[in-house]
Formats: sequence, structure tokens, C-alpha cells
Amino acid sequence: GAGVSQSPRYKVAKRGQDVALRCDPISGHVSLFWYQQALGQGPEFLTYFQNEAQLDKSGLPSDRFFAERPEGSVSTLKIQRTQQEDSAVYLCASSRSSGEETQYFGPGTRLLVL
Amino acid sequence: AQSVAQPEDQVNVAEGNPLTVKCTYSVSGNPYLFWYVQYPNRGLQFLLKYITGDNLVKGSYGFEAEFNKSQTSFHLKKPSALVSDSALYFCAVRDASSGTYKYIFGTGTRLKVLA
Repeated sequence: GAGVSQSPRYKVAKRGQDVALRCDPISGHVSLFWYQQALGQGPEFLTYFQNEAQLDKSGLPSDRFFAERPEGSVSTLKIQRTQQEDSAVYLCASSRSSGEETQYFGPGTRLLVL
Repeated sequence: AQSVAQPEDQVNVAEGNPLTVKCTYSVSGNPYLFWYVQYPNRGLQFLLKYITGDNLVKGSYGFEAEFNKSQTSFHLKKPSALVSDSALYFCAVRDASSGTYKYIFGTGTRLKVLA
């Protein structure tokens, strides 16, 4: 079956631009996570959804970052007024349920802010 | 606060030899522990997890890990390394007592298996 997909795979933005990153989780997966992975680092938790409810957004680095999952499937991570420090790979992961614990990761979106 | 440490940036091992990739953790509650692998140009893949039960956990591709509560460690092991095991390995922890689903990942260890 299809895995987690993310689009675009690469995004170049000028400083100050808004960007939107899309995640299509595995069909039927209840839980969805966003992570930010800087070069040479491990994934850092940004936010967590259970269906359409955003249960934890404690990892979002600033109010320029916003995530949504309005129908409990596809999710969008939006970054407003991008800064150079936002350059990273943004990873999306899904799991069957909150009790499943095993996460299935997408290939990531590499964002470069110039 | 939760944290994970992977003390080695890189581990080199000869093909056919046993391998160990180290991970230690710190949580205030009940740890759920995970290993993921990242191959070049591919997403992270789940290898194994410890939730409860037997301290020795077996996972994909012949990997195993041992949960050691007293040493707060969860080292990844394989009896005989393959060149194809060369990849970036991440340890992760969630504090199951915290009520949140915030997973903390280590900085990764690059495993290089030499032919």
C-alpha cells in the first residue's frame, strides 16, 4: 500500500515568503506528527494531531508556524514570513492510533530559505 | 524533561562482526523506546520498540535491543553486520507517563560496515 507522501519534496523560498508543506498520511491512520530535522541533527517534534484535533503544538518554534488537519487526513504545515533559520527538512509521520507507537515517516520536504 | 543521547557520531565495524550502537535516555516517568534507521534519500524506517515486557526486543533485519532500566540504556545490536546495514540510526523516547505524544530523537549515529 501507499506510504506517507509529502509535497513538495524541495522548496526554495526567499526570506519573508510564506510556504505551505503538505502531508498525506497512510489512509486510516489516526495520528499525525510533524518534525523539523536540521542538518546533522535528529528530528525535532513540532506538533501532533489525533484525527483533526491538534493535541500538542508545544514544539512549534514560533507563531509563524501553523499546522492544520481539518478533515483528519491530509495535513498542512504553514510557515509565514520565512527566515533563514527555518531551512531544514520537514518530516511528517503517521501511526494507526495513539496506542500504536510505530510511526511511518514520509520522505520529507527540504526547505531552503535564501 | 525527556532526553536521548547517542554518544557516538559514527561507528565503524567490519562485515560479519557484531555491532552495537549506543543509546541512553532520561525521562521522569515510564519510557517507551524506539530505534529508527535512515537510508540515503529515504525516509526514516521503524526498526524496533520497547513498550513493556521482555527487556530484549527483536526487530527488523536481524536487529535487537536490550532495555536496561538501571543504566537507562537501550543499545541496538546485531550479531553479524552486513554492508547493507550502513545507514544513519536514531534512538527515540517517549515518556508514556506524561500524557503527551511528544517523541524525542537523538542526534543519530552513522554506522559504516566495511567489506
